[in-house]
Amino acid sequence: DVKVTQSSRYLVKRTGEKVFLECVQDMDHENMFWYRQDPGLGLRLIYFSYDVKMKEKGDIPEGYSVSREKKERFSLILESASTNQTSMYLCASSLWTAGDEQYFGPGTRLTVT
Amino acid sequence: GQQVMQIPQYQHVQEGEDFTTYCNSSTTLSNIQWYKQRPGGHPVFLIQLVKSGEVKKQKRLTFQFGEAKKNSSLHITATQTTDVGTYFCAGCRLSEYGNKLVFGAGTILRVKS
Repeated sequence: DVKVTQSSRYLVKRTGEKVFLECVQDMDHENMFWYRQDPGLGLRLIYFSYDVKMKEKGDIPEGYSVSREKKERFSLILESASTNQTSMYLCASSLWTAGDEQYFGPGTRLTVT
Repeated sequence: GQQVMQIPQYQHVQEGEDFTTYCNSSTTLSNIQWYKQRPGGHPVFLIQLVKSGEVKKQKRLTFQFGEAKKNSSLHITATQTTDVGTYFCAGCRLSEYGNKLVFGAGTILRVKS
């Protein structure tokens, strides 16, 4: 089974802090994604990566950056956390293309106070 | 903005009743995928439809892809309490970066026993 893990299930940070969310997949997938999930808005793509050191902006990249130094690891960085970034963050991976079946991690619920 | 519209946003049914969620895209899709997210869980892939007019069944679940490949539906016959959760459609379309999966906002299903 594909396994996607995320570094924390719950995280509480203060406004202005730098926040790192880590995601690791164990199936040698080419593509990795970061989404945020908010009630009524579904899953919105923040960034995705189709190869090591390669990244593309999704629909809502503002306030976020990402890093993919190794194939299995994709990090989401909030440079200066704000209260409107309080959300559920989901990482996903897919095997070959961004249109393939995506495997999701358990999610990180981030609260910024 | 949202390019894949999903309705209804929320549905509450009596156990044993049927349930349908609909997905509409403004553009032609190369495939459409459906995911289920249990309360407190993460989205899990259910199925992918590729061909125009395709119909697939998984036990009590019936998935359809429209002839124009712009709409899709998921129908659950005789709902059970194990069906509760949020059902997402995700349309795959070609973007400047290759294939891109765009998620609908999801339909929350609650089942009264």
